[in-house]
Amino acid sequence: QKEVEQDPGPLSVPEGAIVSLNCTYSNSAFQYFMWYRQYSRKGPELLMYTYSSGNKEDGRFTAQVDKSSKYISLFIRDSQPSDSATYLCAMSVQGGSEKLVFGKGTKLTVNP
Amino acid sequence: ETGVTQSPTHLIKTRGQQVTLRCSSQSGHNTVSWYQQALGQGPQFIFQYYREEENGRGNFPPRFSGLQFPNYSSELNVNALELDDSALYLCATTDRAWAGNTIYFGEGSWLTVV
Repeated sequence: QKEVEQDPGPLSVPEGAIVSLNCTYSNSAFQYFMWYRQYSRKGPELLMYTYSSGNKEDGRFTAQVDKSSKYISLFIRDSQPSDSATYLCAMSVQGGSEKLVFGKGTKLTVNP
Repeated sequence: ETGVTQSPTHLIKTRGQQVTLRCSSQSGHNTVSWYQQALGQGPQFIFQYYREEENGRGNFPPRFSGLQFPNYSSELNVNALELDDSALYLCATTDRAWAGNTIYFGEGSWLTVV
């Protein structure tokens, strides 16, 4: 079993839809949870960073962490064509410079 | 703009050859990590350098090696290239002094081994 599981999709939605992206993990020691956006042939860009359980909101993006279920989610409201990218979840035991364990990424397309 | 620059952006090598990839980061980012991202996969941790010493290694063989220099630049060297080494190689830097969302990735170097 991989440490982090993420459905690779692809996921295709119409503009304005609410998008839900999810990851599950097996290592209960993970405490720091991140979502990265990666455009085609580019490096990952940090979107959201959450410590432990709970919700965090930033504009149209909401990150949720449920440590009891070992499940994290990213919600995108009012999705735009510019949101079309691959979304990677990542986790670490310690924050800062600790190595990140990534999911495979979910490829999202938002259609105008 | 992350302040992390990688070179070259693309290169093609032949199986058995050696390759050196380079990364430079903004001043103060004393920790650099390298990741390998195969097509359709998430990045996999190769190793990390802190103050010019290796500080953690993923499940990669010794033919993957690195260097970090005092000017915050670093290198990833891969010897005896194999076809499966074809991937995007990402450099990520941070200031180790505090935990937080300060891990910056470069745009990567695309390596194709033929």
